[in-house]
Amino acid sequence: SYELTQPPSVSVSPGQTARITCSGDALPKQYAYWYQQKPGQAPVLVIYKDSERPSGIPERFSGSSSGTTVTLTISGVQAEDEADYYCQSADSSGTVVFGGGTKLTVL
Amino acid sequence: EVQLVESGGGLVKPGGSLRLSCAASGFTFSNAWMNWVRQAPGKGLEWVGRIKSKTDGGTTDYAAPVKGRFTISRDDSKNTLYLQMNSLKTEDTAVYYCTTDTRGYYYMDVWGKGTTVTVSS
Repeated sequence: SYELTQPPSVSVSPGQTARITCSGDALPKQYAYWYQQKPGQAPVLVIYKDSERPSGIPERFSGSSSGTTVTLTISGVQAEDEADYYCQSADSSGTVVFGGGTKLTVL
Repeated sequence: EVQLVESGGGLVKPGGSLRLSCAASGFTFSNAWMNWVRQAPGKGLEWVGRIKSKTDGGTTDYAAPVKGRFTISRDDSKNTLYLQMNSLKTEDTAVYYCTTDTRGYYYMDVWGKGTTVTVSS
């Protein structure tokens, strides 16, 4: 079955740039999406179709794609960005897959 | 404002059944694909299944762990999504989220707050 692989954790100091990667064989052919989930809350979409940002999401959130890896970049990280981040895609049959999630810690 | 409100969660014994509902407002429900996503305690997100809009065939797709036990349906006249869960197992214990896919991108653009299902004897 199709899998998406994320690092379990990423740490960054306030004001620095955080990069969270997500790898999967089908990513060159399928779009990737990113969600932010804070403790006790529902996830929120922060990037769609690899690099598009929904309205209301700060400009410091961006997405990129290269081959089998997509990357969520948070520039000028703020304390409020500390959360779990999940990538998501779908296989050719439409089965949705989530990555295992990355815990972003703001030091 | 788009709003999704799940209900129907609770405690059920293994082998039992439960039906979750999701009341939608703030968008044209009949045009939207809808999903259920779950999250076991302390774990990551897991897609449960999807129902497309009737104009796109109204078809359903399910994740392998729930196929044959769970059924997703919709009532566009009531702007409500359902998840019928049968033959429940302890591993189905999770928060269940209702989500929209308003553009048919195979993604989740808006999420409800979730409802908790606990399967335990």
